[in-house]
Amino acid sequence: GQNIDQPTEMTATEGAIVQINCTYQTSGFNGLFWYQQHAGEAPTFLSYNVLDGLEEKGRFSSFLSRSKGYSYLLLKELQMKDSASYLCAGLNQAGTALIFGKGTTLSVSS
Amino acid sequence: DTAVSQTPKYLVTQMGNDKSIKCEQNLGHDTMYWYKQDSKKFLKIMFSYNNKELIINETVPNRFSPKSPDKAHLNLHINSLELGDSAVYFCASSQDQTWGYFGPGTRLTVT
Repeated sequence: GQNIDQPTEMTATEGAIVQINCTYQTSGFNGLFWYQQHAGEAPTFLSYNVLDGLEEKGRFSSFLSRSKGYSYLLLKELQMKDSASYLCAGLNQAGTALIFGKGTTLSVSS
Repeated sequence: DTAVSQTPKYLVTQMGNDKSIKCEQNLGHDTMYWYKQDSKKFLKIMFSYNNKELIINETVPNRFSPKSPDKAHLNLHINSLELGDSAVYFCASSQDQTWGYFGPGTRLTVT
């Protein structure tokens, strides 16, 4: 099966760095995704890791350790607009759908 | 151009009614999906569908049925609506390893 766990809420201040962790249990893992979702909007793709290591994309980076069933999303130089839900998702065994965690709501304050 | 579009954006209806939500993608993707996001913001897969195979999440009631007139469209029909069906429904599409395209969502409210 595929169970994905992430913290429910996090808070941070502008300019800071925040790390959102995600752990998963899967038998047939095909990739780990991170999405951002602002209130009332659709999820938007942030990153995709299929191999171990760090993927950097501007202020956002994502890390994966397949042996540990662990990923994190790192957000640097936080801005108020980064306040959103961050969704960790795994590709199911058959590679036919993304299975999402319950999301982490990040609140950035000034 | 909008990659994945859905109509309507808002849908308010009474219990027992039958309704449909439409989805279209202009990306040429082979696979389309329906997700349900409940009040706790949990995004759950309902269906994945391509021109070869329909995969149904077994927890989805059979009142829900996807219908695909062609590769670019996947509509969601819901019969005998219940209060618990109130949620935001997202359509999405993918092609091979290209993921991440969600429609804007349809907020369904059943009264």
